[in-house]
Amino acid sequence: GAVVSQHPSWVICKSGTSVKIECRSLDFQATTMFWYRQFPKQSLMLMATSNEGSKATYEQGVEKDKFLINHASLTLSTLTVTSAHPEDSSFYICSATRSYNEQFFGPGTRLTVL
Amino acid sequence: GESVGLHLPTLSVQEGDNSIINCAYSNSASDYFIWYKQESGKGPQFIIDIRSNMDKRQGQRVTVLLNKTVKHLSLQIAATQPGDSAVYFCAERGSGGYNKLIFGAGTRLAVHP
Repeated sequence: GAVVSQHPSWVICKSGTSVKIECRSLDFQATTMFWYRQFPKQSLMLMATSNEGSKATYEQGVEKDKFLINHASLTLSTLTVTSAHPEDSSFYICSATRSYNEQFFGPGTRLTVL
Repeated sequence: GESVGLHLPTLSVQEGDNSIINCAYSNSASDYFIWYKQESGKGPQFIIDIRSNMDKRQGQRVTVLLNKTVKHLSLQIAATQPGDSAVYFCAERGSGGYNKLIFGAGTRLAVHP
C-alpha cells in the first residue's frame, strides 16, 4: 500500500503554455500533499504545502500565481505551471502524508519547456 | 574516496565494503530525520528514519546515527551492493507542523565491482 502516482511522467511544452501535473494517493487519503522541484544534480526544494480544501502555502521565493496548486479531494492535488518558460524545466515531485510520520513520494514528472 | 562534484559530492566504494554517508542538518529544533534513496529519474524512496530522542537506529543492512550536539546525521550501509548505487538524501522535519521536510544536499554513492 501507500502508493503515490504522478501524471504525466514527462511532458514537453512550448514556452508560454501552461502545464498541469497531477498527484494522486492511490490507496490512502492524504490531507496534506507537498510539491517539490529538483534541478539536475541538486536536492529537492520544497515549493508548497497543499491541504485539502484550503489554499496552498508557498515557500519563500515561489510565485503562487505561476505555480497554481489545487487540492480538491483527499486523493488528488494538481500543480499547474502557468506561462512556462525554459527556466521552469525541472523534475517536479509530489508527496502525500498518510499520518504525521508517514510521507510517500511520487515518481516525479520531468518538465521540459522549449 | 570522496570528491565534490559540481553540486553533488560522490562517494565511491568497492562492492562488499561498508559505506558511510554524512549529512549536516540545519535546525536544532528538528524532531525527526529520514534518509532517502533516489535513483535516476525516480522519486525518493524511504530507507530509514530516526526520532530526535534517539541516537542510533538499525534496519536491514543500514544504520542511522544522530549526533544532536553537532547537528550531524550519518547513514551506514553494510556490505554495499551495486544496487545501492544512487543519490542519498537526508531530510529533517522542523517545527511548524504539516510534516514539512527539508532536504539536505545529497550524496551520490557509486559502487564499483
